[in-house]
Amino acid sequence: KAGVTQTPRYLIKTRGQQVTLSCSPISGHRSVSWYQQTPGQGLQFLFEYFSETQRNKGNFPGRFSGRQFSNSRSEMNVSTLELGDSALYLCASSLGTGGLEKLFFGSGTQLSVL
Amino acid sequence: GIQVEQSPPDLILQEGANSTLRCNFSDSVNNLQWFHQNPWGQLINLFYIPSGTKQNGRLSATTVATERYSLLYISSSQTTDSGVYFCAVERSSGDKLTFGTGTRLAVRP
Repeated sequence: KAGVTQTPRYLIKTRGQQVTLSCSPISGHRSVSWYQQTPGQGLQFLFEYFSETQRNKGNFPGRFSGRQFSNSRSEMNVSTLELGDSALYLCASSLGTGGLEKLFFGSGTQLSVL
Repeated sequence: GIQVEQSPPDLILQEGANSTLRCNFSDSVNNLQWFHQNPWGQLINLFYIPSGTKQNGRLSATTVATERYSLLYISSSQTTDSGVYFCAVERSSGDKLTFGTGTRLAVRP
């Protein structure tokens, strides 16, 4: 069974641009969560999607948004990039049955904002 | 929100040594998971352990939910065990998973 796939692996952008990251969950998993990892703040929850609906949201500004498609694939978008958005963005998938579940992470997208 | 503290923050071991990593959390939880992040950034799920004890090869974990802590044991460490170990907790279904600050482990040959 293929794992969680994130693309691209690396990305370099400049301030003010926008970026879209993609995540394909494990087959059969319907929940996708996004996390931002930085050396200063550690791993922070961005949002979770289940059945194309945002089910939970962390404390990030509105420049961070996401969506989920009918095949459970998810994208997150960051508009008007700032230097502080440089981070490893990790996507995780789970079954999404509503219980407390094991998460499986992708390899992440390393975003550098210059 | 819930606070998750891990200790020690850094650990250096000689290959073959044993170690214990600790995770303390500030509120009751229904979900606790341990992860290993390898040097390439990949987070691997080690244990889903909201309570009790589990073992997987050289690794084992124990969570004492009533006392709000969990322990991860690594026996006969290998260089491939190097990386950062995170615990993450969730208070209830539908809540977000909150990660600890991690323990950075380096195993020397």
